[in-house]
Amino acid sequence: GAVVSQHPSRVICKSGTSVKIECRSLDFQATTMFWYRQFPKQSLMLMATSNEGSKATYEQGVEKDKFLINHASLTLSTLTVTSAHPEDSSFYICSARGVWGHGQYFGPGTRLTVT
Amino acid sequence: TQLLEQSPQFLSIQEGENLTVYCNSSSVFSSLQWYRQEPGEGPVLLVTVVTGGEVKKLKRLTFQFGDARKDSSLHITAAQPGDTGLYLCAGANTGNQFYFGTGTSLTVIP
Repeated sequence: GAVVSQHPSRVICKSGTSVKIECRSLDFQATTMFWYRQFPKQSLMLMATSNEGSKATYEQGVEKDKFLINHASLTLSTLTVTSAHPEDSSFYICSARGVWGHGQYFGPGTRLTVT
Repeated sequence: TQLLEQSPQFLSIQEGENLTVYCNSSSVFSSLQWYRQEPGEGPVLLVTVVTGGEVKKLKRLTFQFGDARKDSSLHITAAQPGDTGLYLCAGANTGNQFYFGTGTSLTVIP
């Protein structure tokens, strides 16, 4: 149980375009989903916290107009990177937290490359 | 952002050796998790500790949460090559947000 999927797993886009990444909890309802980015050989940096049906809470330094997050249902959250630039290239990982207790379950990540 | 410092940052040991990874912060956390991550994949939850002073064992891995709930340690006994990976601690605040430690990259040499 507690499986989280992400789509796509890899995406290459041109500078200036927008990319949408989906995060789904497959076998549980996720009241809260988190979005992280990770640079090579570094730890995960929390970008934002999203609760179903409400606006996401962004961490300091994360541009909310650039990284649009929508948590439309208890099983789906999306992250849209708008007007992508090469410096946005990174590994984006989502996680989901259910109502039953502590901890969070991670998706497999999405490798974004902006050319 | 609440900073969690892990030490050591990199660790390379021989198969069969023991090791300890530390996760320290000046903040108090409602719970703390340990994860293991392999390249190109998401982190996999190993354990969650909630109570100050709590000790949990998972086969050859022993996890301890500090009495003040500000720090934690992970001890691996008789390390195996399959233990190789990036170990991450993550602390949860009262707002249920998780902040990750700086990470410890472990390599176990056969």
